[in-house]
Amino acid sequence: NAGVTQTPKFQVLKTGQSMTLQCAQDMNHEYMSWYRQDPGMGLRLIHYSVGAGITDQGEVPNGYNVSRSTTEDFPLRLLSAAPSQTSVYFCASSRRLVANEQFFGPGTRLTVL
Amino acid sequence: SQELEQSPQSLIVQEGKNLTINCTSSKTLYGLYWYKQKYGEGLIFLMMLQKGGEEKSHEKITAKLDEKKQQSSLHITASQPSHAGIYLCGADRGTGSQGNLIFGKGTKLSVKP
Repeated sequence: NAGVTQTPKFQVLKTGQSMTLQCAQDMNHEYMSWYRQDPGMGLRLIHYSVGAGITDQGEVPNGYNVSRSTTEDFPLRLLSAAPSQTSVYFCASSRRLVANEQFFGPGTRLTVL
Repeated sequence: SQELEQSPQSLIVQEGKNLTINCTSSKTLYGLYWYKQKYGEGLIFLMMLQKGGEEKSHEKITAKLDEKKQQSSLHITASQPSHAGIYLCGADRGTGSQGNLIFGKGTKLSVKP
């Protein structure tokens, strides 16, 4: 199994551009989530999904959209990139909703100029 | 809202020395997770604790959850350069949380050869 994969690994955007961060898992996990990691702030939850067709907001959802059309894929869309969205983004998945290990992808390092 | 405080924020130890990292919650912990992150990479799951007083070990790393389920400690015995990285504690938000995890801000560990 590849586990959780994320593309791209690095990305540079200009303010106002849009893009999609890809996340896929091959473990048939129902639960998937997106986090951003910033210095001094730790990991913060952006959006999550408890199954195909079901998504909800986390702590810091503004400026991001998600969809979950399949169990495997959970893309994160930046609608109009801003310098405040410069961060490292991690996708994670788990088999159950609680009391369960989350598997993390390798991350996408995004810079918005 | 629940918060996780980690201490210390950073730690430099000589190879071979023991060390302890603490994670304290403002509320009862339903599930406590320890992850390790190597610089520039994703998170690697170490251990999960659920029951008050529970203790788990893997190689030279031992994690404990106190009886009141509000504090956890991670202890490394005879540290090695391979132990260097950022250690994060994460916790289930509790019933109705839809599986979301909150994270501490991390402890950066450096091990001097």
